[in-house]
Amino acid sequence: NAGVMQNPRHLVRRRGQEARLRCSPMKGHSHVYWYRQLPEEGLKFMVYLQKENIIDESGMPKERFSAEFPKEGPSILRIQQVVRGDSAAYFCASSPRGRGEKLFFGSGTQLSVL
Amino acid sequence: GQQLNQSPQSMFIQEGEDVSMNCTSSSIFNTWLWYKQEPGEGPVLLIALYKAGELTSNGRLTAQFGITRKDSFLNISASIPSDVGIYFCAGRTGTASKLTFGTGTRLQVTL
Repeated sequence: NAGVMQNPRHLVRRRGQEARLRCSPMKGHSHVYWYRQLPEEGLKFMVYLQKENIIDESGMPKERFSAEFPKEGPSILRIQQVVRGDSAAYFCASSPRGRGEKLFFGSGTQLSVL
Repeated sequence: GQQLNQSPQSMFIQEGEDVSMNCTSSSIFNTWLWYKQEPGEGPVLLIALYKAGELTSNGRLTAQFGITRKDSFLNISASIPSDVGIYFCAGRTGTASKLTFGTGTRLQVTL
């Protein structure tokens, strides 16, 4: 009974590089959410996806950030041309359905931008 | 946008004491969830609440969905060292799918 799997756990990038964060939801879950957490702060919503569809991206910066959840394979959060301010913990959560469902979180990817 | 304020911001208590924390919002929420986060890990779901006035327990934890639907409370009885962590409330409004998280309450338990 694997939970939400995120990799890598730690990712170091230099300014200007690209970061790719992967999330495999729990078995049977078709809804994925990405959240960002800065040190000493709560989690901020970024994007909500179902298989092959972006449902709500209201929390995602308009530039440099993109997310996908293909029919096959994990969900990917992609950050292009990273800057120091992108350093944070990025958490993925999944649920079996959308509204009203509990979210189950992965252990996160800690992104550090040098 | 919606904002959830948690209080207290941090607590230092002795093992065996009871703990109370709350979460307030300027908006009405239809669902309240309480999570615990330990260092280097993702939040773990503790309790979910779906109706105003609902009182739900999970072992030594008890949470309530406020009658006004703008607040929620979490109590931990007879605290133990492994209760250490950051407790987050999270809420969902009527038509939204996303959860809005609170600012967190950091709990420290001393022997």
